[in-house]
Amino acid sequence: GNSVTQMEGPVTLSEEAFLTINCTYTATGYPSLFWYVQYPGEGLQLLLKATKADDKGSNKGFEATYRKETTSFHLEKGSVQVSDSAVYFCALSGLKERGGGGADGLTFGKGTHLIIQP
Amino acid sequence: SQTIHQWPATLVQPVGSPLSLECTVEGTSNPNLYWYRQAAGRGLQLLFYSVGIGQISSEVPQNLSASRPQDRQFILSSKKLLLSDSGFYLCAWSPRPGRRGTEAFFGQGTRLTVV
Repeated sequence: GNSVTQMEGPVTLSEEAFLTINCTYTATGYPSLFWYVQYPGEGLQLLLKATKADDKGSNKGFEATYRKETTSFHLEKGSVQVSDSAVYFCALSGLKERGGGGADGLTFGKGTHLIIQP
Repeated sequence: SQTIHQWPATLVQPVGSPLSLECTVEGTSNPNLYWYRQAAGRGLQLLFYSVGIGQISSEVPQNLSASRPQDRQFILSSKKLLLSDSGFYLCAWSPRPGRRGTEAFFGQGTRLTVV
């Protein structure tokens, strides 16, 4: 079945540091990949996504590239801010059929708690 | 625009009591609907999903049930809560039919504490 593995943390960095959160996946077919962010006490918000190999998703200074050869989708940011402190989830879509959007929901990693210190 | 509402935001219930969490979606029709649970240190677990009224699929055996009485309403229930039901419950929706790369949109969550 589908699975997502990501570093759990907590990851503690100083403001303006470079961020990498690793994510690898196992899936059949051609999944789409996502990064979601969860701020304290809130639901999940989509941060970025990629739908095919070599696609790069980007938003708010964050980037991730869909690497089919290494089955990875690592999240990066060049200079983090205190406001980036949150839990980050890597996820993939559960496709029932090739090319279709899955009705069986997303498969998530366990989440990485990121703490940015001023 | 589409919005998703989930309530209550927090809930404290005694063991053995019933549960009803409600989720509604506005601004779209015929969505896929999902209930997830987030337990500390265990990430997000898909509990139920629904592709239409009265159509519920369960991902894991458990003490909970789900119903979809209307197109944009999804309810999570239990007849008797267990301590292990404590957690953060998230409702989500996605468009149907889904296209490649379609993401899910999440509600704000319900923090359930069973005491």
